[in-house]
Amino acid sequence: GAGVSQSPRYKVAKRGQDVALRCDPISGHVSLFWYQQALGQGPEFLTYFQNEAQLDKSGLPSDRFFAERPEGSVSTLKIQRTQQEDSAVYLCASSSWTGAYEQYFGPGTRLTVT
Amino acid sequence: LAKTTQPISMDSYEGQEVNITCSHNNIATNDYITWYQQFPSQGPRFIIQGYKTKVTNEVASLFIPADRKSSTLSLPRVSLSDTAVYYCLVGPQGNTGNQFYFGTGTSLTVIP
Repeated sequence: GAGVSQSPRYKVAKRGQDVALRCDPISGHVSLFWYQQALGQGPEFLTYFQNEAQLDKSGLPSDRFFAERPEGSVSTLKIQRTQQEDSAVYLCASSSWTGAYEQYFGPGTRLTVT
Repeated sequence: LAKTTQPISMDSYEGQEVNITCSHNNIATNDYITWYQQFPSQGPRFIIQGYKTKVTNEVASLFIPADRKSSTLSLPRVSLSDTAVYYCLVGPQGNTGNQFYFGTGTSLTVIP
């Protein structure tokens, strides 16, 4: 079956613009995660959903970051008033109910803020 | 949250067995050990997970000593395509998010 997909794959935004990054998880996976990965670093946790409920958003770096998963499937990560420090790869992952540690990652969206 | 320590980088010749060790001195009783592999421009890929002793699948083995304060990922007969970054994660089973600490990983380079 299809894996996790993310769109767009690449996004260039001018500082101050708002962006929206989309994640389509594996069908039937109830858990969905967002990570931010800076160049040369490991992924850093941003937020986590179980179905439509956002159970943990402790990793979101500021109130400019907002994530939603209204129907428990597709998720959107929105960044308002982008700053240069937001430039990174944003990874989405999904997992089944009982296998939270076996996560399936998408290819990521590379965001460049100029 | 159990932090992990791994070597920053390793080199190996093609066809050799590679062992990457991860230290996790503060591992908790209900923590599992999970390894991921990441190629450039891709998301991490699950390799293997274990709790104690030895786990083996079609691509790797995971060795965990009795005290569980470290673990070793073993890749048999590596090929050039195994050049990647390998991450060790420690945390409980269950649906929580902030326990997924990847760290900087180990960059493995396989030399022909």
